[in-house]
Amino acid sequence: GNSVTQMEGPVTLSEEAFLTINCTYTATGYPSLFWYVQYPGEGLQLLLKATKADDKGSNKGFEATYRKETTSFHLEKGSVQVSDSAVYFCALSGGGGATNKLIFGTGTLLAVQP
Amino acid sequence: SAVISQKPSRDICQRGTSLTIQCQVDSQVTMMFWYRQQPGQSLTLIATANQGSEATYESGFVIDKFPISRPNLTFSTLTVSNMSPEDSSIYLCSASGRGANTQYFGPGTRLTVL
Repeated sequence: GNSVTQMEGPVTLSEEAFLTINCTYTATGYPSLFWYVQYPGEGLQLLLKATKADDKGSNKGFEATYRKETTSFHLEKGSVQVSDSAVYFCALSGGGGATNKLIFGTGTLLAVQP
Repeated sequence: SAVISQKPSRDICQRGTSLTIQCQVDSQVTMMFWYRQQPGQSLTLIATANQGSEATYESGFVIDKFPISRPNLTFSTLTVSNMSPEDSSIYLCSASGRGANTQYFGPGTRLTVL
């Protein structure tokens, strides 16, 4: 079945450092890919998405490119801020599974220190 | 995007009791879902709430434990029945529109069972 694998956290960075959180997936067909963010004590917010190969999703300085050849959707940001501290979830839907059913990775905790 | 609210935001309950969580969407949506997030874990889909018919449950979740209602296109409830401490989790509602694979989440209900 479909699955998502994320790099384990926690990831601890200093402010203005470069961020990469790795995400790879297993799916048949062509899934849609998502990054969600969960700030402390809150629900999930959609950060960005990509629906086909080579698409780049971007929002709030974060980017992720849908790489079909490597089945990856790594999240990057050039300069993190303390306010980016949160849990980041990679997810997919479709790709041989139910179109509206989201499969989540385990989440990666990011802690940014001033 | 849809704006989703949940009530209550948190509750502390006694073992053996039941709690009903409400989810309200600010616009008509096709699909509504209920997820559980156990402490420090990722999200697990409990069921898809179907308007006008019985919910569709995922493996490991049953209607007697998690009855769900969806009387119209903007509202759903999840009941956690006969609670035990193992039910202590965050319960999240999400929604997506017709033909859309992007889900938007509510802020979650943080449940503690003593």
